[in-house]
Amino acid sequence: AQSVTQLDSQVPVFEEAPVELRCNYSSSVSVYLFWYVQYPNQGLQLLLKYLSGSTLVKSINGFEAEFNKSQTSFHLRKPSVHISDTAEYFCAVSDRASGGSYIPTFGRGTSLIVHP
Amino acid sequence: GAVVSQHPSRVICKSGTSVKIECRSLDFQATTMFWYRQFPKQSLMLMATSNEGSKATYEQGVEKDKFLINHASLTLSTLTVTSAHPEDSSFYICSAHPLGQGAYEQYFGPGTRLTVT
Repeated sequence: AQSVTQLDSQVPVFEEAPVELRCNYSSSVSVYLFWYVQYPNQGLQLLLKYLSGSTLVKSINGFEAEFNKSQTSFHLRKPSVHISDTAEYFCAVSDRASGGSYIPTFGRGTSLIVHP
Repeated sequence: GAVVSQHPSRVICKSGTSVKIECRSLDFQATTMFWYRQFPKQSLMLMATSNEGSKATYEQGVEKDKFLINHASLTLSTLTVTSAHPEDSSFYICSAHPLGQGAYEQYFGPGTRLTVT
């Protein structure tokens, strides 16, 4: 069984400041890792994912996340946030094992609040 | 591409009535669709996995007679909340796994806000 811990339920930050949203996971097998973003009253949108290869993955809107196997972490970062980044961010992990269902387990979410 | 729609986006119903929520993959075929429930300020809870042409697989604690799922085609799955009660009020989100793509891929619908009065 796998689990995901998002250590911060809410992260307030000023516009143009850097931000890090933390995510740790536990799993007995290799995993796929995802970050999703949810704007108010909307579904989830995939922000970025780690499947294999380079441990640093980037999105088109400036976010990046680094897979750290030894620390079992997949923290999300952005060097300079915008007001429009205000949203709920969910980290998710999916089991890569053969025969696994690949159904992701989601963290509780981190609310990113960007102040002007 | 890979758009998933849900209808309705918002519904209010009276206690004791049934409500049907549709989930459609608009530009791809989906072998598997998933139904999630999300409480305010909380994460998504998987309710059931729906495979086209077969019975849905429900997660532990989810009443299959209350949450009826039908996956009649490769582009449509429906969730019917039967005899709804106020505690069923929630945000329901579906996702779809595209036919032929990696098993980890799924695309989410915009969600349906159900309010039972």
